[in-house]
Amino acid sequence: DSGVTQTPKHLITATGQRVTLRCSPRSGDLSVYWYQQSLDQGLQFLIQYYNGEERAKGNILERFSAQQFPDLHSELNLSSLELGDSALYFCASSPGAAREQYFGPGTRLTVT
Amino acid sequence: KNEVEQSPQNLTAQEGEFITINCSYSVGISALHWLQQHPGGGIVSLFMLSSGKKKHGRLIATINIQEKHSSLHITASHPRDSAVYICAVRSPQAGSARQLTFGSGTQLTVLP
Repeated sequence: DSGVTQTPKHLITATGQRVTLRCSPRSGDLSVYWYQQSLDQGLQFLIQYYNGEERAKGNILERFSAQQFPDLHSELNLSSLELGDSALYFCASSPGAAREQYFGPGTRLTVT
Repeated sequence: KNEVEQSPQNLTAQEGEFITINCSYSVGISALHWLQQHPGGGIVSLFMLSSGKKKHGRLIATINIQEKHSSLHITASHPRDSAVYICAVRSPQAGSARQLTFGSGTQLTVLP
């Protein structure tokens, strides 16, 4: 158990809908990262927050947004969902930007 | 050409065999990570290294910065080692470029 929690574990929704994925980092970790793992693209970095502020952006679509709250939990919002958004979404946390990352169990999103 | 190349893509071994998984990268890095992804999807960070060699139990990771190459070794392999092993590198540049870039993974199957 990494200490990082993600909810929900599974999510099935229809195209065009909006969903919110939630992540609680390990106690004391200030950095939260979001990753997408799809069958054809592998693991890709989406976005990083550090102590409530956006720190870095990767291959995140404009339909996706995220935030980190004062209690350090983070949410990833996915809107206008498309079939191609079906993937595993992982959250990871670390004490700082260049430190080892601890991954949550992931949320499996299926868009039908 | 991908920035991070892993080989082999698939590897089947008999229990007890010594296993090597290779990772080559084409950019300068500040650190390299080895991750293990279990059949259920969960990701565990095995090593983070920037030089030399690290050992944890039956796992050994080495890196050669000059040759831009890292290896993950598993001694006395066991069926429970069956998983996907993923190499990821972090650029030394600031901002988004410092985030992890992932290899496509090596699927390891250890037969009893």
